[in-house]
Amino acid sequence: DAKTTQPPSMDCAEGRAANLPCNHSTISGNEYVYWYRQIHSQGPQYIIHGLKNNETNEMASLIITEDRKSSTLILPHATLRDTAVYYCIGDSGGGADGLTFGKGTHLIIQP
Amino acid sequence: GAVVSQHPSRVICKSGTSVKIECRSLDFQATTMFWYRQFPKKSLMLMATSNEGSKATYEQGVEKDKFLINHASLTLSTLTVTSAHPEDSSFYICSGLGDGETQYFGPGTRLLVL
Repeated sequence: DAKTTQPPSMDCAEGRAANLPCNHSTISGNEYVYWYRQIHSQGPQYIIHGLKNNETNEMASLIITEDRKSSTLILPHATLRDTAVYYCIGDSGGGADGLTFGKGTHLIIQP
Repeated sequence: GAVVSQHPSRVICKSGTSVKIECRSLDFQATTMFWYRQFPKKSLMLMATSNEGSKATYEQGVEKDKFLINHASLTLSTLTVTSAHPEDSSFYICSGLGDGETQYFGPGTRLLVL
């Protein structure tokens, strides 16, 4: 699995867009970028994943650079309930071999 | 998204006893399920991978005789912590592999061994 690097923490104002960066410079061509988040004392929640193209769903957008060495998760209108630890994970097996969680980014949404 | 449940959500037991944790995929069939462990202020660590009808595969450093995993059906996997000790106190989280090869996680089980 690709090693990923994320800032340890970020703040964002409620109602604004939260942009969470992730560096994955060693990602290989067949590895997807997965994003999960974990709210305190709960199991991780799947957000979105992508390979090359940008992706959007009801929760977030994922922007992957053309060289695939980095990506950004965008929460378009952050709410207090989006306060969580966000994990960016590179995985070639689609998660079929288990996921390797790093330390993630602790996103704090400020009222 | 797909839903995974765990039971119990919290359990307190005495040292030396065994504890069983159930993980169920409620609206999808999971041929593969995973068990993770998370200590306070740490990230999730994969313990084992279980495939329905076959023996689980354990990560290095995880004792297979202490953490018994059974995956008898496509919607149920169980983790039994045998002869639990205080150092086994942790947050245990399971996941199921859904369509499109995405893992969906349960809410976790907090185990406290006294």
